[in-house]
Amino acid sequence: DGGITQSPKYLFRKEGQNVTLSCEQNLNHDAMYWYRQDPGQGLRLIYYSQIVNDFQKGDIAEGYSVSREKKESFPLTVTSAQKNPTAFYLCASSMGGTPEFFGPGTRLTVL
Amino acid sequence: GQQVMQIPQYQHVQEGEDFTTYCNSSTTLSNIQWYKQRPGGHPVFLIQLVKSGEVKKQKRLTFQFGEAKKNSSLHITATQTTDVGTYFCAGPDGNKLVFGAGTILRVKS
Repeated sequence: DGGITQSPKYLFRKEGQNVTLSCEQNLNHDAMYWYRQDPGQGLRLIYYSQIVNDFQKGDIAEGYSVSREKKESFPLTVTSAQKNPTAFYLCASSMGGTPEFFGPGTRLTVL
Repeated sequence: GQQVMQIPQYQHVQEGEDFTTYCNSSTTLSNIQWYKQRPGGHPVFLIQLVKSGEVKKQKRLTFQFGEAKKNSSLHITATQTTDVGTYFCAGPDGNKLVFGAGTILRVKS
């Protein structure tokens, strides 16, 4: 089955800790995206990548970092510099200019 | 930058009633996409409209793209409880999508 996987589904973190969210796709898509969604809110773009070893900041990149070492993988690190990290994080992929396919998401809670 | 506005923010309808959500872009769009997110789930792609004035139907859902390619609507006829969720429109801005804030639909049975 082709698709996007995100792990873990739920993640708890103490204040001051960095945490990395996994996103893997086997759709052979070139582009990958990370979004943040707060309760009852829309999707805000954190980072996106059009090609391996290249990525761009989205609208709310502060306090986050990414890497794109492989086409299939686009991990997101939530750093301690992110002041309000509790949210639902969604990863998506596309061929670029085509509809995006979303993973199931990771719910991050800072304790 | 490009903005995509969506109204209403929230709508609560009786089962069997119709529902419409509207999307307006600050710029002309090459295409517009619609997504549905069920409660607790992730957004799922519904449809893409490309042509000016285009109308597409998926069972009880009717999607329209405005003549000026700056606005769009999604209309659901005779809502069912399975229609609950948040409906998002999105338009391309370079290499990324700009999403509207979404319309939350609740259906009373």
